Amino acid sequence: DAKTTQPNSMESNEEEPVHLPCNHSTISGTDYIHWYRQLPSQGPEYVIHGLTSNVNNRMASLAIAEDRKSSTLILHRATLRDAAVYYCIKMGSNYKLTFGKGTLLTVNP
Amino acid sequence: KAGVTQTPRYLIKTRGQQVTLSCSPISGHRSVSWYQQTPGQGLQFLFEYFSETQRNKGNFPGRFSGRQFSNSRSEMNVSTLELGDSALYLCASSPIGTAGANVLTFGAGSRLTVL
Repeated sequence: DAKTTQPNSMESNEEEPVHLPCNHSTISGTDYIHWYRQLPSQGPEYVIHGLTSNVNNRMASLAIAEDRKSSTLILHRATLRDAAVYYCIKMGSNYKLTFGKGTLLTVNP
Repeated sequence: KAGVTQTPRYLIKTRGQQVTLSCSPISGHRSVSWYQQTPGQGLQFLFEYFSETQRNKGNFPGRFSGRQFSNSRSEMNVSTLELGDSALYLCASSPIGTAGANVLTFGAGSRLTVL
């Protein structure tokens, strides 16, 4: 079975950059990589997604490896509001989604 | 614009009962997908509906079923509840589906406790 792997937890200091990694055991050329984050008692919230090229938006950047088997979500300056569980999701063209177990990000003031 | 609304937010059932959860997508979104979230298994995909048709289904027993109405609202049903069905059930909507570049908007979830 295809697996998406993330570290269980990471810690950062406020105002510092954070790099959250994700690995896919298998990924096809049409599978998109998505990142969502979840705060306590809320549903997941969209962060960013990409296919092959690195992507930037107002929330974060997404760096995708050339072989696409790994990606890194980059929060350029972590704030206390970024403390959440971050999920990496492989989303295929056949509507099949593969979730990582999520990384709990702790941001220290 | 209004987000994805799930009802009820919390419910308690006993083993053997059945439960129906409801999801109202964002206006204009035609795809609704459902997910189960537990501490042990994390997020798992249940099924996805588009224009009243189920397009994809995750690896769950037949006790888990769903449907979508012509106004895109969706319901999921779990029959013969087991203790292991205790979970947060999330629904998400998107304009056209769970494939590729489509962004999902999640509801806050329905927390089911089975006693």
